[in-house]
Amino acid sequence: GQQLNQSPQSMFIQEGEDVSMNCTSSSIFNTWLWYKQDPGEGPVLLIALYKAGELTSNGRLTAQFGITRKDSFLNISASIPSDVGIYFCAGLLNAGNNRKLIWGLGTSLAVNP
Amino acid sequence: DGGITQSPKYLFRKEGQNVTLSCEQNLNHDAMYWYRQDPGQGLRLIYYSQIVNDFQKGDIAEGYSVSREKKESFPLTVTSAQKNPTAFYLCASNRGDLRNIQYFGAGTRLSVL
Repeated sequence: GQQLNQSPQSMFIQEGEDVSMNCTSSSIFNTWLWYKQDPGEGPVLLIALYKAGELTSNGRLTAQFGITRKDSFLNISASIPSDVGIYFCAGLLNAGNNRKLIWGLGTSLAVNP
Repeated sequence: DGGITQSPKYLFRKEGQNVTLSCEQNLNHDAMYWYRQDPGQGLRLIYYSQIVNDFQKGDIAEGYSVSREKKESFPLTVTSAQKNPTAFYLCASNRGDLRNIQYFGAGTRLSVL
């Protein structure tokens, strides 16, 4: 199946540092979603983006829908230990009557207190 | 509280055995999904259902079966034909609208004895 290119694959940072991750694709998407998954749990939606160029914040998290509609970025400012987890991007691909979410492979974040 | 309930949290399967994973939602969502998650492989779609009594194969449907007799319920059976069933299984649902935001259960971890 189709997948997004999500990078980096993993990050190990110090508490207080800022974090950036992104997803890219050769396809155009109408929606970008960012999720966080804690160990042993299901993913939880962080931010949803619906328009090219859109910049949306949720507390210390900021995400942007790329102007080309082929990419998206997630930034976390002033990281804290509870930011640890796997972050997934997902893009909504419209193909006729078939709307399908395409998933990135995730960015695993570790925060050193 | 509204949400998606998956059970059991942990499940063990013997060789040649079929096992069924439960997924129930009280969000009144039309669409439901089953994903398989293996380390480093992100989320892979097994089956999805956009309406009661109808479902479609995802990217890795072989060795799995589903039913959608009620709007609230979308059980997944892992059959003996699935030779590598050990994984984390996630159920999700959404309203079936254009935004396609999926909400996840807490997952079921299946292991082979």
